[in-house]
Amino acid sequence: GQQVMQIPQYQHVQEGEDFTTYCNSSTTLSNIQWYKQRPGGHPVFLIQLVKSGEVKKQKRLTFQFGEAKKNSSLHITATQTTDVGTYFCAGRWNYGQNFVFGPGTRLSVLP
Amino acid sequence: EPEVTQTPSHQVTQMGQEVILRCVPISNHLYFYWYRQILGQKVEFLVSFYNNEISEKSEIFDDQFSVERPDGSNFTLKIRSTKLEDSAMYFCASTTNGPNEKLFFGSGTQLSVL
Repeated sequence: GQQVMQIPQYQHVQEGEDFTTYCNSSTTLSNIQWYKQRPGGHPVFLIQLVKSGEVKKQKRLTFQFGEAKKNSSLHITATQTTDVGTYFCAGRWNYGQNFVFGPGTRLSVLP
Repeated sequence: EPEVTQTPSHQVTQMGQEVILRCVPISNHLYFYWYRQILGQKVEFLVSFYNNEISEKSEIFDDQFSVERPDGSNFTLKIRSTKLEDSAMYFCASTTNGPNEKLFFGSGTQLSVL
């Protein structure tokens, strides 16, 4: 079936460093969502991207959707310990289809 | 913010036993979902439910699984004869108007099959 891939699987950064996770699909997505899951918690919605080349910002977080709508990225500027968790992208290829989650990128931030 | 609530938070069962996981979606939401997450792995879609019927299900959602909305508030997932590989965190989620919307997840039920 269709799937989205994410890299890296793990990322350890020093507090204050930047962090980026990438999400890729072999075929064109209709839209993509990003979720954050804190350790021991449940996924929490961050953002949805729909348009080709779309860029959205939430404070220190920047989300991008590729021009071909096959890839997306989440960039965190100047990480903080509160950013610790697993970041999942969830992609969809057809309107009305349920989202398929990627494997996630687990972020550790060292103080 | 409104929440999706799930009970119990932990469930331990013997292999072959039936379990029912319960969820109360957000009150004005119309679409309900079950996902599962095996420890440290990705969130896997099981089933979506709308207007009192299944709208989509994954390959994981075989004949051992069933969902029900027995009344106006609860949404349940039943596993008829549990297997060891059913051990996972099961998340209920809901959305207002369907799969184009953001998913609101509950805190999950950790199912352990012994």
